[in-house]
Amino acid sequence: EAQVTQNPRYLITVTGKKLTVTCSQNMNHEYMSWYRQDPGLGLRQIYYSMNVEATDKGDVPEGYKVSRKEKRNFPLILESPSPNQTSLYFCASSLLAGGHRDTQYFGPGTRLTVL
Amino acid sequence: KQEVTQIPAALSVPEGENLVLNCSFTDSAIYNLQWFRQDPGKGLTSLLLIQSSQREQTSGRLNASLDKSSGRSTLYIAASQPGDSATYLCAVQRGSGYSTLTFGKGTMLLVSP
Repeated sequence: EAQVTQNPRYLITVTGKKLTVTCSQNMNHEYMSWYRQDPGLGLRQIYYSMNVEATDKGDVPEGYKVSRKEKRNFPLILESPSPNQTSLYFCASSLLAGGHRDTQYFGPGTRLTVL
Repeated sequence: KQEVTQIPAALSVPEGENLVLNCSFTDSAIYNLQWFRQDPGKGLTSLLLIQSSQREQTSGRLNASLDKSSGRSTLYIAASQPGDSATYLCAVQRGSGYSTLTFGKGTMLLVSP
């Protein structure tokens, strides 16, 4: 089954404790992206990657890091989480082939709480 | 900077009604526009994608139109059902090979039996 998976689905942590949220897709997609969703602000892009070893900042990259060492994986790293990073996080992927294949596929989300 | 607005923010209708959700965007230089559905506590599911050169797309009871020059899109849902209850999100893509999506804040739809 074609899918985007994220782990963990729920995480409660404390300020300053480094964490990683994993994202993996099995569709051989070039493009992967991370979004955060907050009430009243909607979905905002954090980072994206056009292919292996090619990453770039989205609209709200501060406090986050990413890496793309393999095509299928795109982990999101919070080196020193703060309470304002409490949010619902989504990973997404798509082909970069144009047309309907630009459709983005989203993971189920990771609900992060930073105390 | 691209801004996407969705009206109304919430909508409640009885089952069987036809309804229209609206999406507007400030920069008409888009590559495509996508409509998504989000169920509570779940991820997003793509419903329809309209290329900038197209005027509309249809899937079952859903029809999405795009007027790029005026910066507007509508999602038409025919014969609504309680299972259609969800938040509907509109997103525009800036360009080919540069797949950043800018999202609206969504319309929360409730279809009552």
